[in-house]
Amino acid sequence: KNQVEQSPQSLIILEGKNCTLQCNYTVSPFSNLRWYKQDTGRGPVSLTIMTFSENTKSNGRYTATLDADTKQSSLHITASQLSDSASYICVVSPASGGSYIPTFGRGTSLIVHP
Amino acid sequence: DTAVSQTPKYLVTQMGNDKSIKCEQNLGHDTMYWYKQDSKKFLKIMFSYNNKELIINETVPNRFSPKSPDKAHLNLHINSLELGDSAVYFCASSQGDRTNYGYTFGSGTRLTVV
Repeated sequence: KNQVEQSPQSLIILEGKNCTLQCNYTVSPFSNLRWYKQDTGRGPVSLTIMTFSENTKSNGRYTATLDADTKQSSLHITASQLSDSASYICVVSPASGGSYIPTFGRGTSLIVHP
Repeated sequence: DTAVSQTPKYLVTQMGNDKSIKCEQNLGHDTMYWYKQDSKKFLKIMFSYNNKELIINETVPNRFSPKSPDKAHLNLHINSLELGDSAVYFCASSQGDRTNYGYTFGSGTRLTVV
């Protein structure tokens, strides 16, 4: 069964600090992994997409890594800002399967305090 | 603005009522989705339409009936609402029916059944 597990479930950090969010998956065969940011009261917005051959991808202060061998990904946030307070969702898409339904993680809730 | 827009943003209704949620996208995408996000923030796919044709229909009670009059619109009608239907419903779209393309989500409709 395809699963995506994220940790920690929630995280509180001070503004300016760095943090790393984890995503482990069992989706196979693997197509791609996306990190989404969901602000309170809004829909998720894609931050990064990574395919099998990519190890690292950055989007501003967000850097995602992927280890396809261990089926792990991380999202590193540098110099956090108050606006980074949100839920971060890891989504893994299969490379085959009739409907190509992606598997969503339950998200990590990040709170950045001043 | 190019976007996925859904109405209403909030919907409070009594058990047993019938209600509809509307979704429109002006991104030129040919695939649209309905997702349900429960109180624990877990996003679960309900339906997917590609060029007005139903391609994904997950295990959803038949009280839920999607309708796609054209590829830019996907509405969700819910009959005989139950307390357990309370959730945030997200519409999304993508280019192509393969999730490699990623989703653009609407801002959500918070449905509360009392």
